[in-house]
Amino acid sequence: SQQGEEDPQALSIQEGENATMNCSYKTSINNLQWYRQNSGRGLVHLILIRSNEREKHSGRLRVTLDTSKKSSSLLITASRAADTASYFCAPVVIGGGSNYKLTFGKGTLLTVNP
Amino acid sequence: EPEVTQTPSHQVTQMGQEVILRCVPISNHLYFYWYRQILGQKVEFLVSFYNNEISEKSEIFDDQFSVERPDGSNFTLKIRSTKLEDSAMYFCASSEREQYFGPGTRLTVT
Repeated sequence: SQQGEEDPQALSIQEGENATMNCSYKTSINNLQWYRQNSGRGLVHLILIRSNEREKHSGRLRVTLDTSKKSSSLLITASRAADTASYFCAPVVIGGGSNYKLTFGKGTLLTVNP
Repeated sequence: EPEVTQTPSHQVTQMGQEVILRCVPISNHLYFYWYRQILGQKVEFLVSFYNNEISEKSEIFDDQFSVERPDGSNFTLKIRSTKLEDSAMYFCASSEREQYFGPGTRLTVT
């Protein structure tokens, strides 16, 4: 797998606003996954988007994928203080089997102010 | 909802001692992983495991590290002789497709 680069590095918004985070990567992928990590805690899988998909929704999350630009975005709508966390994208290249390693970047630190 | 569990949540050990970190993956998953995160740094891949053998390992995963699936439910990471720089959060993950992570074990080597 390869590392995604998240942008911006930090984002601070007010509760109720939308938050958009971007991810860029370098080579062709099988899928791209987004994860969240609260400070000092484990990573929580948010959403997986396959390379042949352009958009996917899950609750207040919307993910887009543009394979021609090698980029993805994560939109969190109507943000809540509990959304405060670091968000990571993980572009995945799967070899022969179905196991693969995830390579994480520095992430986007989202702060949602009450 | 099924989840990955890890024990202990925090382990303190002296330099040179052996530690075993334990994980119970999600029951129908076939692929297992260990990652670590040194305080303030990125989450780093250590090793992946499938069909009772290592599929891939990083350069961090040297001879001091080993993994084992001793029974049908547990997946362990052993560090034979801990160093100060092994202090980190260690995360276990399992997958069928998406990887699901455990809450981590904080290892402190003094």
